Amino acid sequence: SQWGEENLQALSIQEGEDVTMNCSYKTYTTVVQWYRQKSGKGPAQLILIRSNEREKRSGRLRATLDTSSQSSSLSITGTLATDTAVYFCATLYQGGRALIFGTGTTVSVSP
Amino acid sequence: DMKVTQMPRYLIKRMGENVLLECGQDMSHETMYWYRQDPGLGLQLIYISYDVDSNSEGDIPKGYRVSRKKREHFSLILDSAKTNQTSVYFCASSSANQDTQYFGPGTRLLVL
Repeated sequence: SQWGEENLQALSIQEGEDVTMNCSYKTYTTVVQWYRQKSGKGPAQLILIRSNEREKRSGRLRATLDTSSQSSSLSITGTLATDTAVYFCATLYQGGRALIFGTGTTVSVSP
Repeated sequence: DMKVTQMPRYLIKRMGENVLLECGQDMSHETMYWYRQDPGLGLQLIYISYDVDSNSEGDIPKGYRVSRKKREHFSLILDSAKTNQTSVYFCASSSANQDTQYFGPGTRLLVL
């Protein structure tokens, strides 16, 4: 498997709290994507980070990529109940055309 | 509006029956994918299609085949379905020069 540990398989938090989830990967990559999957829906990309960026922000989201430790993180600040979902990290293989997904972190945000 | 559609959304079949899952996209994306999702395993790639009649096996192609005769349409076929093919199947598409994949809503298949 491309993916090592995904820290925190499931966590429950209150609205307004911040949350960070982590992925570590085994094979060198220069791009990590984070996807969110809400119940009954398909995954949707949240953020894509490349190795030359190290950190990328989009609204309440912040992603990091550390190629030296082969790890990536996704942080959400000021969570909302609508952030309740499974969050996956993913990277490309098959000549850069297919994604390998981690097993996901389930985040439950209570109002 | 960029969209990936899947039909049917829910399907119940008996072991040994044939299954046809259909996927469409309106973005003229060259590349399309079929994944399956099982609890605790994330998404696993079954097949990838680079364009019409240009298909390649993914990580778990056994028991499946695909057909892509039009760029906007990609089918997944299970000949003689097995109970261990009970799963949620997702179709996705992407442009050849972009890394983002766009996913459909999924088809929940139960094989009895």
